Amino acid sequence: GAGVSQTPSNKVTEKGKYVELRCDPISGHTALYWYRQSLGQGPEFLIYFQGTGAADDSGLPNDRFFAVRPEGSVSTLKIQRTERGDSAVYLCASSLWGEETQYFGPGTRLLVL
Amino acid sequence: SQQGEEDPQALSIQEGENATMNCSYKTSINNLQWYRQNSGRGLVHLILIRSNEREKHSGRLRVTLDTSKKSSSLLITASRAADTASYFCATDWDSGYALNFGKGTSLLVTP
Repeated sequence: GAGVSQTPSNKVTEKGKYVELRCDPISGHTALYWYRQSLGQGPEFLIYFQGTGAADDSGLPNDRFFAVRPEGSVSTLKIQRTERGDSAVYLCASSLWGEETQYFGPGTRLLVL
Repeated sequence: SQQGEEDPQALSIQEGENATMNCSYKTSINNLQWYRQNSGRGLVHLILIRSNEREKHSGRLRVTLDTSKKSSSLLITASRAADTASYFCATDWDSGYALNFGKGTSLLVTP
């Protein structure tokens, strides 16, 4: 079966623009996670969905970041008024309900010029 | 903020040697996991050890956990060039499901 997929692979945008990053989890995985990884660092938690609802969004850095998962499958991470500091690899992961192991996608590399 | 901290930051060994990486964390945990990452992209789960376990094996991997010292180690035996990657320990976030990663150990295995 297919793993977690993320699109686009790479995104270059200008400061102040709006971007959307998409994550397609493994079929049947109810839990979905977004992480952000800066160069030389480990992934940092952003938000976690259980089904359609955000169970924990405490990792979102500010109100420019928002994520949705309207049908409990695909999720979109939205970043408004992008800043150069938003440049990073955005990773998505999914898991079965109650399972600790997470399955990661290949990430979207975002560069804000 | 990142709870785990791996040591060393970088490790270079030759094929056939063993590689040991350490991880320290700050708060109590339910479990600790190790992940591997190639080329700065997706992570792959390697092994999970629960807080009531002290040691776990999986193939060439051996993980130990010392909850009194809040530390874990990952041993890769008989390393191969294909083991070259970054290795991260991850503990459970406050919510119990999201993960808190360390900064990772970059392992280079030369033929």
